[in-house]
Amino acid sequence: SAVISQKPSRDICQRGTSLTIQCQVDSQVTMMFWYRQQPGQSLTLIATANQGSEATYESGFVIDKFPISRPNLTFSTLTVSNMSPEDSSIYLCSVRWSGTSNQPQHFGDGTRLSIL
Amino acid sequence: DAKTTQPPSMDCAEGRAANLPCNHSTISGNEYVYWYRQIHSQGPQYIIHGLKNNETNEMASLIITEDRKSSTLILPHATLRDTAVYYCIVPYADKLIFGTGTRLQVFP
Repeated sequence: SAVISQKPSRDICQRGTSLTIQCQVDSQVTMMFWYRQQPGQSLTLIATANQGSEATYESGFVIDKFPISRPNLTFSTLTVSNMSPEDSSIYLCSVRWSGTSNQPQHFGDGTRLSIL
Repeated sequence: DAKTTQPPSMDCAEGRAANLPCNHSTISGNEYVYWYRQIHSQGPQYIIHGLKNNETNEMASLIITEDRKSSTLILPHATLRDTAVYYCIVPYADKLIFGTGTRLQVFP
């Protein structure tokens, strides 16, 4: 099966700084998504990364805080901007290989982010 | 949007079948049921999905009731490595909405 790699796997950052998380897939995918998992909670969808156009954000998430790029069919980045301790979470990338909505998403192992 | 209801936790003895229930009484006719699990410190792992027929793969079986209002995920021979949080999801507008899931503890 295809491999979904996220970098970095974890990081500790200072408040007020920004961090860019990369998601690389070893084959072309149709859909890419970004999720957040706050400590002790379930996953929340941040946005759908659209190739060649602006990402589609869910309620409560904005582009200025979480800019997303998707330059091609195998790669996407999520930036967490102007970080505060409340941004300490696991950030996960997921992909779907088919454009057919009944096909499952598959997840990377996430980026564990702590802000001091 | 179809919401799902799962028990917060379950126990299962190693080697026995684990049967995890899920209620999705508002599911519509063309909506699939998906099951994922999350083992501590890892990303969610896809297990299985189905529409109305029972499904089986190398990981599990999915039994969907005839009225489609509930389903059961069956791990036929649970091992300690199956200890995880299991999520039953009916996607809304092509999006996975994760609830709190069922925390399955497999004990020796």
